[in-house]
Amino acid sequence: GQNIDQPTEMTATEGAIVQINCTYQTSGFNGLFWYQQHAGEAPTFLSYNVLDGLEEKGRFSSFLSRSKGYSYLLLKELQMKDSASYLCAVMDSNYQLIWGAGTKLIIKP
Amino acid sequence: GAVVSQHPSWVICKSGTSVKIECRSLDFQATTMFWYRQFPKQSLMLMATSNEGSKATYEQGVEKDKFLINHASLTLSTLTVTSAHPEDSSFYICSARGARETGELFFGEGSRLTVL
Repeated sequence: GQNIDQPTEMTATEGAIVQINCTYQTSGFNGLFWYQQHAGEAPTFLSYNVLDGLEEKGRFSSFLSRSKGYSYLLLKELQMKDSASYLCAVMDSNYQLIWGAGTKLIIKP
Repeated sequence: GAVVSQHPSWVICKSGTSVKIECRSLDFQATTMFWYRQFPKQSLMLMATSNEGSKATYEQGVEKDKFLINHASLTLSTLTVTSAHPEDSSFYICSARGARETGELFFGEGSRLTVL
């Protein structure tokens, strides 16, 4: 079966760095997405990786290793507004998105 | 970036009534739209995929006669929850994918349905 694993919840301190991991097992691979979702709101797009390596976009970076079925989202200089759920999603061979359950990130002052 | 508008944002209805939720792509043509349901503290659950001009493809366990999806144009898809019951109360989100190589999804704002 297809499976996306990510931690349920993480806590970090304002100004610090946090890494949210995602491992996947899917039928084929056409890219991995990270989305941010604040409570009660729709997800917003953060990043897309289809090749191995690190993609940096401001305070957020996303890494992918296809051979290991592994990705992480790195958030630097954490701000209180970064408190949200972070969803990892993989597009399989049928171009369908398989969603992880999300990681709730709690930022403390 | 591309904009997807979803309406209404909030809806409260009585048990047994039907509710229609609209999803519009405002600045691009969406060949494919997706409807999700999200219960509190859970991830998105794909309900169905709709392609313009054809019947929607429903995920296993989703009743197609209860959740009617219409994608009559390249900019509008509608989800109608028929004979709604309290267990249908949820956050419904649509997303659209145009003819783009990355397959990035653009999400609507979501519609929170409460069935009394």
